[in-house]
Parts: sequence; structure tokens; C-alpha cells
Amino acid sequence: DTGVSQDPRHKITKRGQNVTFRCDPISEHNRLYWYRQTLGQGPEFLTYFQNEAQLEKSRLLSDRFSAERPKGSFSTLEIQRTEQGDSAMYLCASSLLGRFTEAFFGQGTRLTVV
Amino acid sequence: QKEVEQNSGPLSVPEGAIASLNCTYSDRGSQSFFWYRQYSGKSPELIMFIYSNGDKEDGRFTAQLNKASQYVSLLIRDSQPSDSATYLCAGPNAGGTSYGKLTFGQGTILTVHP
Repeated sequence: DTGVSQDPRHKITKRGQNVTFRCDPISEHNRLYWYRQTLGQGPEFLTYFQNEAQLEKSRLLSDRFSAERPKGSFSTLEIQRTEQGDSAMYLCASSLLGRFTEAFFGQGTRLTVV
Repeated sequence: QKEVEQNSGPLSVPEGAIASLNCTYSDRGSQSFFWYRQYSGKSPELIMFIYSNGDKEDGRFTAQLNKASQYVSLLIRDSQPSDSATYLCAGPNAGGTSYGKLTFGQGTILTVHP
């Protein structure tokens, strides 16, 4: 296992289109987090899962955003009807329960909405 | 006021000098803080975490937490050009009950010049 993997690394889409990103966490990690980072800012928490359960969602996560983690393994983040303001780096991280100091971030998916 | 703020910099120091990075936070109940390093175009990587008042040292890095004054700092001794990166301070999200749900500062860009 080489770490947290995100796909795609880059995505350019037209405004109004739907996009889906995938995150494969480190295999034994039961917690998975999504963050969003815009240029010049720190990451902002979006949501997290413990196994397959989505335990918390930020108010930043509008109705156009949905995340899933079926079977508690990989996770997907979908953005419907993309807007230019959605352009950002979407970061996924994973950890064992209670051991966030050993969490690892993936390389991120850079989304550009044109 | 943002929950976690990094107001300083960009910061430029000569090689071999001490780089001092600062962060303030608003939630008096916050118990733990994290320092991440992020190279340009890469994902954040955890370099230090601190739970207790006082100093914590790890190699060339020292994290300091002052709960009374609500600030966290990171000192990098004998700075190297390879330390040039954005440094992100993060603390538990207000009301958050689990590690991993973090609030990040906006980051401080550090440049170490030869």
C-alpha cells in the first residue's frame, strides 16, 4: 500500500457539468476525510467517514455536493452543476480511529471549472 | 475572527537562521494543535503536533503552545533551503469531537535563501 490515492489528479470541466472524484485510503484506515483547499488558503474541512458512515458534514458542503464511502473502503465526492467557485484542490486524508497524528493526505484532485 | 489565524508573512530567512512561525486561535477549549508543511503543488504533511502547554522538540523543530495567550508557534532551527514551503497551523474545529476535523490557518510561506 503506497498511501492515500486520489483520482483524477486534475479535472477541467465546464460550468454546469457534474464531476466525481475518488479516494482510496490506506487499506486498514477506518476514517476518511475530505478537505477543500483554494489558492493561498489552508484546507477547509468538508466531511468525514468512519467506515461507511458519514459522521459529519460541514456547512460548506452544499446540496450540490455528495460523498459516499460504500463498504467502508474507497470514497467518492460528487459535485453536481459545478460552479466556478468550486475550483479548488480537493484533498482526501485517512487515519485509524483516534490516531489522526498518523493521518496521511492524498495528493489531491485539482478541479478547474471554466 | 477566524478560529485559527496565521497573520504573518511571507517569511524569508537566511540559511542557518531560526525561522519563527506563529498562529493564534479563538477557541479556548482547543486542546491540540498541528503543524503541517506543504510544498508547492503537493499535499500537506504533518511535521509536529502538540497537546500540552509548553514546548515540544523534534529534531530541528520546536512547537510551542501557550493556552493562556491562545497562540501556537513553530521554530525551525538551522533553516535549510529544503524547508522552503508553506506552513499550516491547524486545531480542532470548534465543536468538533474528533481529531481529523481540523480548522487550518491560511498558512505562512517560508523561504530559506542560501
